[in-house]
Amino acid sequence: GENVEQHPSTLSVQEGDSAVIKCTYSDSASNYFPWYKQELGKRPQLIIDIRSNVGEKKDQRIAVTLNKTAKHFSLHITETQPEDSAVYFCAAPGGSQGNLIFGKGTKLSVKP
Amino acid sequence: GAVVSQHPSWVICKSGTSVKIECRSLDFQATTMFWYRQFPKQSLMLMATSNEGSKATYEQGVEKDKFLINHASLTLSTLTVTSAHPEDSSFYICSARRGTNVEKLFFGSGTQLSVL
Repeated sequence: GENVEQHPSTLSVQEGDSAVIKCTYSDSASNYFPWYKQELGKRPQLIIDIRSNVGEKKDQRIAVTLNKTAKHFSLHITETQPEDSAVYFCAAPGGSQGNLIFGKGTKLSVKP
Repeated sequence: GAVVSQHPSWVICKSGTSVKIECRSLDFQATTMFWYRQFPKQSLMLMATSNEGSKATYEQGVEKDKFLINHASLTLSTLTVTSAHPEDSSFYICSARRGTNVEKLFFGSGTQLSVL
């Protein structure tokens, strides 16, 4: 089955700097890779996703890149702001029931 | 569109009592819903898959008699934590899938359960 690894587990950056979070997956057949932002006690919010037929997708300050050969994908946040502070999860399709398998999460702290 | 409602948002109960959590898809029909458990500073762990009109599929290590799931309609799934104990205290989140596409997965707002 699918296995998703996420690094780093914690990331601290200065406001205005960029942040990069990386994930690897094991199932070469996976074709959809979402990123979620979760604030404490709240539901995960989909912030960006990418399908396997493209290598990069960008939405304002957020971008995701995908390397199918290496089976890894990354979240890039530029010009970070304090409100970007949260836990970020990557995911990939997996399981026999058509679910998502989540990475362990990255706690991002943006210091003003 | 694609709103998933989860109630209650938080609940405190005494050890030994049962707690029911509801997950509703408000503007679409969901034949499949998922229940997750999330401990502090950890990821979402799938507990079970709830299928409308059939028995739930539980992940390995999850006690089906402890966590009862009912999906009696296309818009409602319930999770009942029976005979709750302090170790059951956790954040429980549901998600509902619109159709069969994993890209159409929408999360409930979560329930924080505290068992005294």
